[in-house]
Amino acid sequence: EAGVTQSPTHLIKTRGQQATLRCSPISGHTSVYWYQQALGLGLQFLLWYDEGEERNRGNFPPRFSGRQFPNYSSELNVNALELEDSALYLCASSFGQYNEQFFGPGTRLTVL
Amino acid sequence: AQKITQTQPGMFVQEKEAVTLDCTYDTSDPSYGLFWYKQPSSGEMIFLIYQGSYDQQNATEGRYSLNFQKARKSANLVISASQLGDSAMYFCAMRDEIYNQGGKLIFGQGTELSVKP
Repeated sequence: EAGVTQSPTHLIKTRGQQATLRCSPISGHTSVYWYQQALGLGLQFLLWYDEGEERNRGNFPPRFSGRQFPNYSSELNVNALELEDSALYLCASSFGQYNEQFFGPGTRLTVL
Repeated sequence: AQKITQTQPGMFVQEKEAVTLDCTYDTSDPSYGLFWYKQPSSGEMIFLIYQGSYDQQNATEGRYSLNFQKARKSANLVISASQLGDSAMYFCAMRDEIYNQGGKLIFGQGTELSVKP
């Protein structure tokens, strides 16, 4: 069974640009979560999608947004990039909101 | 507000010995779940073990066990017979399971475990 996949592995952008990160959940999982792991700030919850809808978001500005597609894959968009957006972005999926979350390998975003 | 505290930034253990990684939590929710994840240098988070707040027995998964002390609000991870491949960052996490937070995980700051040969 394939695990959670994320693309790209690395992404380099300049300040003010937009970044798009992608995530494919484990087959059969309907919930997708996004977390940011920035140096010195630990892992912070960003967004939760389930059945195509945004269900919950963490304490992040509106320039962090995303969507979930009918096949349950998800996209995270970060607009107007700032230097402090440099981080590892981890996607996780679960079968329902109260089962274990399985994480992908992450996308490392660097903003110059 | 929910909070997870891991007070050990780094730990060393000799290969084949047992090690305990500390985790304390704070929540006013009656129903919650506690997790441990391992993050090797590659970055991927690997699920290790889960403990529900109403579980009567401590969770075990192979060499991993969770020492759950509800009254003290602690959920320490015990790794028995450490192996070199256990060297990694370890994160304790919690989620609210009653107020429809959608399984959002709150993470501690992590403990970096180094296993010495």
